[in-house]
Amino acid sequence: AQSVTQPDIHITVSEGASLELRCNYSYGATPYLFWYVQSPGQGLQLLLKYFSGDTLVQGIKGFEAEFKRSQSSFNLRKPSVHWSDAAEYFCAATLGGSQGNLIFGKGTKLSVKP
Amino acid sequence: DTGVSQNPRHKITKRGQNVTFRCDPISEHNRLYWYRQTLGQGPEFLTYFQNEAQLEKSRLLSDRFSAERPKGSFSTLEIQRTEQGDSAMYLCASSLGWTSYNEQFFGPGTRLTVL
Repeated sequence: AQSVTQPDIHITVSEGASLELRCNYSYGATPYLFWYVQSPGQGLQLLLKYFSGDTLVQGIKGFEAEFKRSQSSFNLRKPSVHWSDAAEYFCAATLGGSQGNLIFGKGTKLSVKP
Repeated sequence: DTGVSQNPRHKITKRGQNVTFRCDPISEHNRLYWYRQTLGQGPEFLTYFQNEAQLEKSRLLSDRFSAERPKGSFSTLEIQRTEQGDSAMYLCASSLGWTSYNEQFFGPGTRLTVL
């Protein structure tokens, strides 16, 4: 079955430290991959997406993600975290085509220490 | 510029009652999706519309759930005979395009509590 796994439920980092959130997918073919952020009371916001080509993709708010086919991974990174980055982060995937929906991971909650 | 809006934002109901939620997508967006999100989980797909046509329904969408998008604009999601297990955040998203990899824009959600 198709699935997206985020191994870390909760991560705490200090402000200014680097961040890496993990995402693994299980699909028969390489899916299209996304990272979304959800802040309390806000809708999910797209940070970045990967379709093909360059495996390092840049997104909004200083985030980037690297696609690694050999590891079935699409990890999200940020070199220096700001307190405003505290939120929940979701990795998602879809095969596109006739598949109508995104499949989401369970999310990783990010806390930022001052 | 208005994003996706959902009403109501919160709904508390008693078990067995019917509830209806509304989603207004971004104007001109031809695709509209409904997801459900429970505590500690990511959003789970329920159904989606391409204009007014409902093209896919998840097995999560039991017979008590029905969704409509009568004129290809706003959509409603109705839950009949609510159960406590229906308590969740119901998310709506819309996109412009013909595939699921077009960016989906999400609304703030409707939080349903079934007592």
